[in-house]
Amino acid sequence: SAVISQKPSRDICQRGTSLTIQCQVDSQVTMMFWYRQQPGQSLTLIATANQGSEATYESGFVIDKFPISRPNLTFSTLTVSNMSPEDSSIYLCSVARQGDEQYFGPGTRLTVT
Amino acid sequence: QKEVEQNSGPLSVPEGAIASLNCTYSDRGSQSFFWYRQYSGKSPELIMSIYSNGDKEDGRFTAQLNKASQYVSLLIRDSQPSDSATYLCAVRPGYSTLTFGKGTMLLVSP
Repeated sequence: SAVISQKPSRDICQRGTSLTIQCQVDSQVTMMFWYRQQPGQSLTLIATANQGSEATYESGFVIDKFPISRPNLTFSTLTVSNMSPEDSSIYLCSVARQGDEQYFGPGTRLTVT
Repeated sequence: QKEVEQNSGPLSVPEGAIASLNCTYSDRGSQSFFWYRQYSGKSPELIMSIYSNGDKEDGRFTAQLNKASQYVSLLIRDSQPSDSATYLCAVRPGYSTLTFGKGTMLLVSP
């Protein structure tokens, strides 16, 4: 497995502002992903963070709203831009090495007021 | 459309019993199957992975896969109150990304 940390663990933000979430892994990983989990719901993949190139976004998610960076093999950021109350959710970073298994960070609980 | 279906529960079992959690998936090209446990307020934790038809055992957990029936299950033997959580089934079709089910809530009563 991998030790994954996320910052911040939680935040309360005003409508219209932006928040950047950081994900740090204790060792190099091939794949990094960003998910959203809304209350009582399952996990929805936002995008795959690609090292050295633009992220690959899933249907319904766009770069202007959720810009992602991945400058190296151990670190990624997700920004939630121009937030609205509908963006209130838990945001999760996930990583995978060469194999299939994916591991999740502790998550960032975001509340937009 | 890739779908992973789970009964939302709650599935209630007494302590010491076997809990059986089920999952069906729609994409016949799926190659990798996972079970995650998620405690309330926590992130998902990987507990089992299975890639071939049949059973795979790890301690009190057994994952069962039947690709012909597009069915994967998780058995928890000697269930404990600490097993009370939501169990997420996840499926990977080929080299695509994981698709998660909505999860089954398990309640183990003392």
